[in-house]
Amino acid sequence: DTGVSQDPRHKITKRGQNVTFRCDPISEHNRLYWYRQTLGQGPEFLTYFQNEAQLEKSRLLSDRFSAERPKGSFSTLEIQRTEQGDSAMYLCASSLAGFAGTGELFFGEGSRLTVL
Amino acid sequence: SQQGEEDPQALSIQEGENATMNCSYKTSINNLQWYRQNSGRGLVHLILIRSNEREKHSGRLRVTLDTSKKSSSLLITASRAADTASYFCARNEAEDSSYKLIFGSGTRLLVRP
Repeated sequence: DTGVSQDPRHKITKRGQNVTFRCDPISEHNRLYWYRQTLGQGPEFLTYFQNEAQLEKSRLLSDRFSAERPKGSFSTLEIQRTEQGDSAMYLCASSLAGFAGTGELFFGEGSRLTVL
Repeated sequence: SQQGEEDPQALSIQEGENATMNCSYKTSINNLQWYRQNSGRGLVHLILIRSNEREKHSGRLRVTLDTSKKSSSLLITASRAADTASYFCARNEAEDSSYKLIFGSGTRLLVRP
């Protein structure tokens, strides 16, 4: 078990370009979360998957953002037509639902996006 | 804003001293958790306290929860330079079937050697 991994760790892009981030959760975890964190702030919830179903989306997730979790394994977060305000750290976390779960989230190291 | 309130925003102490961070929230919760984040890294879970618990210990960490005041505190005893990091409280709100966490704005702790 190598924990939650995210790729890429850093991405610099020009305004208007599309970017995609990937998250590989801990293999037996059925819940997956995406958060966004700006400098000096705590993480803000973006969206949540249980297995392959996207069950909740924050109003922070504009229509330029889309997330998928095909087959309930890895997840991708795509941002279309990036804006400078999208610059942030995008964090992925996973957890195990049910009585076997402890309630804690396991975070990856994050993908830092800089939009020029 | 999703975020709760944490106090203080920043704390600077000498190695060996104790550090206390406070967290307040407004909703009913299932549990409250504390996480640590080193600069530019992901978050690491420290401790979870359930709504029916009042105090919990883990090594040099002590967490209290007062649901009547909707507040929690994290105490780090005998601090070390390696404790320098940002600390976040995060609540799991009652009746939230996603079990997502709502994070506070964090306390940035500096432990001077």
